[in-house]
Amino acid sequence: NAGVTQTPKFRVLKTGQSMTLLCAQDMNHEYMYWYRQDPGMGLRLIHYSVGEGTTAKGEVPDGYNVSRLKKQNFLLGLESAAPSQTSVYFCASSYYKGAMPYEQYFGPGTRLTVT
Amino acid sequence: KNEVEQSPQNLTAQEGEFITINCSYSVGISALHWLQQHPGGGIVSLFMLSSGKKKHGRLIATINIQEKHSSLHITASHPRDSAVYICAVTDGGSQGNLIFGKGTKLSVKP
Repeated sequence: NAGVTQTPKFRVLKTGQSMTLLCAQDMNHEYMYWYRQDPGMGLRLIHYSVGEGTTAKGEVPDGYNVSRLKKQNFLLGLESAAPSQTSVYFCASSYYKGAMPYEQYFGPGTRLTVT
Repeated sequence: KNEVEQSPQNLTAQEGEFITINCSYSVGISALHWLQQHPGGGIVSLFMLSSGKKKHGRLIATINIQEKHSSLHITASHPRDSAVYICAVTDGGSQGNLIFGKGTKLSVKP
């Protein structure tokens, strides 16, 4: 199993450009998440999904959109990139145990620079 | 005030030392997680616990629900333990999303 994979690993964008980050998991997990990690701050939740066709906003959703058309994929879109979106982006997935999601499995991260 | 606080922020140890990293939280939780982030950036889950103590190899995690506190211990530390250790809690009132601490950067010198 590949676990959680992210594409691309690195990207440089100019202000105003758009891009999509792809997250894929092969563990049949229900829950998927997008986080950003910035120096001196903890991981912050951008958007998440509790199942195919559903998405919800996290702590820092502004400037991002997401889609979960297939259970195994979770896409993060930046429609008009800004320098404030320079960050490392992590995708994660988890499964149910009882009524709550269990431990999360993380992808390797995408380092995005917006100039 | 951050909902999840870790101490210390940075820790340098000599190989073989016993290491303790602390985590305090201020919200109601259903579980607490310890994660490890290596210099290459990858994040792996070490423990998920809601009570008591768990052990995996040289790593031990404990939680005191009444005091809202958890500790991660590393026995006989080794340079390969050098990483950022992150505490996170599953918010009992939400969809089960994680709230993260800022991490403790551990460096173990040979």
